[in-house]
Amino acid sequence: ILNVEQSPQSLHVQEGDSTNFTCSFPSSNFYALHWYRWETAKSPEALFVMTLNGDEKKKGRISATLNTKEGYSYLYIKGSQPEDSATYLCAFNHSWGKLQFGAGTQVVVTP
Amino acid sequence: NAGVTQTPKFQVLKTGQSMTLQCAQDMNHEYMSWYRQDPGMGLRLIHYSVGAGITDQGEVPNGYNVSRSTTEDFPLRLLSAAPSQTSVYFCASSYSAARYEQYFGPGTRLTVT
Repeated sequence: ILNVEQSPQSLHVQEGDSTNFTCSFPSSNFYALHWYRWETAKSPEALFVMTLNGDEKKKGRISATLNTKEGYSYLYIKGSQPEDSATYLCAFNHSWGKLQFGAGTQVVVTP
Repeated sequence: NAGVTQTPKFQVLKTGQSMTLQCAQDMNHEYMSWYRQDPGMGLRLIHYSVGAGITDQGEVPNGYNVSRSTTEDFPLRLLSAAPSQTSVYFCASSYSAARYEQYFGPGTRLTVT
């Protein structure tokens, strides 16, 4: 079992503010790093899959960066909106068939 | 496309009973997997399959069996339910392997008394 850690565990953001949080993972045997958004009472939905060191991905106001050499990824939310409230999961793909998920960062955006 | 479907949505079992959680996808995905979600622990991989006839164990396989006779279906069998198996179970599929984005089913909430 590999260590995939997400921090912080939760954060509260005022509407309009920007925020970011971290996923750290082992720097060896790297295949891919995934980010998912998980809203209450729904299923996780994919945001990004990143495979190369230095990758940067963007979807609307959400973006992510990847550093495979030091084993971390950042997820950024610019100008947070209440609809961004969700748990954000990262998952480390360390072998062909296996994904190891972090425990998630719960984001609450208040108007 | 229905995507990934799971049945049932809710189930209550008594200790020692067996049952099968169903998962199907209509996207012709080769890779399918089962996770359980427990508070504070994120999603943990139970079993996965990279194609029909091929399955392998994940992080927490004990007490569960799987088979993959078709591309579309990947049932999860609980052999003898235990209270520790009370959880929410998610099935997921993707194009080829864990390297591709996963599509999750709606989940099955299982309670073992």
